[in-house]
Amino acid sequence: EDQVTQSPEALRLQEGESSSLNCSYTVSGLRGLFWYRQDPGKGPEFLFTLYSAGEEKEKERLKATLTKKESFLHITAPKPEDSATYLCAVLGSSGTYKYIFGTGTRLKVLA
Amino acid sequence: GAGVSQTPSNKVTEKGKYVELRCDPISGHTALYWYRQSLGQGPEFLIYFQGTGAADDSGLPNDRFFAVRPEGSVSTLKIQRTERGDSAVYLCASSSPGQGGTEAFFGQGTRLTVV
Repeated sequence: EDQVTQSPEALRLQEGESSSLNCSYTVSGLRGLFWYRQDPGKGPEFLFTLYSAGEEKEKERLKATLTKKESFLHITAPKPEDSATYLCAVLGSSGTYKYIFGTGTRLKVLA
Repeated sequence: GAGVSQTPSNKVTEKGKYVELRCDPISGHTALYWYRQSLGQGPEFLIYFQGTGAADDSGLPNDRFFAVRPEGSVSTLKIQRTERGDSAVYLCASSSPGQGGTEAFFGQGTRLTVV
């Protein structure tokens, strides 16, 4: 069964303090790994798709990387507006489009 | 439309009542998904449509839940005899897998409260 585990559950950073969020996964054939940002009371906002080990994607202060077992979301010099819950999801090759989500990491960046 | 639209944004209903939640996907997206999210949890899969047909409904918790997409665009999630445990945010998403787009785009959700 496809599974996603995210850590830590919550993270508090000072503004400018870089860190990484982890997403460990088990899936029968990875079709894609996805990172989303979710603000309180809103739906998940798409950030990145990664397809194969070694792939990296960047957007502003965020960089996502992928290995065969896990993905990292690196946040460089975060700002208070980066505070949100970051969700990781995988899509396996089981033939159906069922995205499996982790429980997310709640990030708080303090000014 | 520009994004996935869900109505209503909030719905409060009494235990035992019937509710309908609507989703209007991104124009041209053939795939549509319903997810449910409880506080502090990640989205949980309910059902996936490809076109008009439900390609995977394995996440529907029981037969009180039903979803339709009669013309391959707008979808309605229907919940009969609501229970307090049905309270959650119901999220809709759409994608275009046939055009290589594996990522799903979500709406803002419908917060359902059963009292």
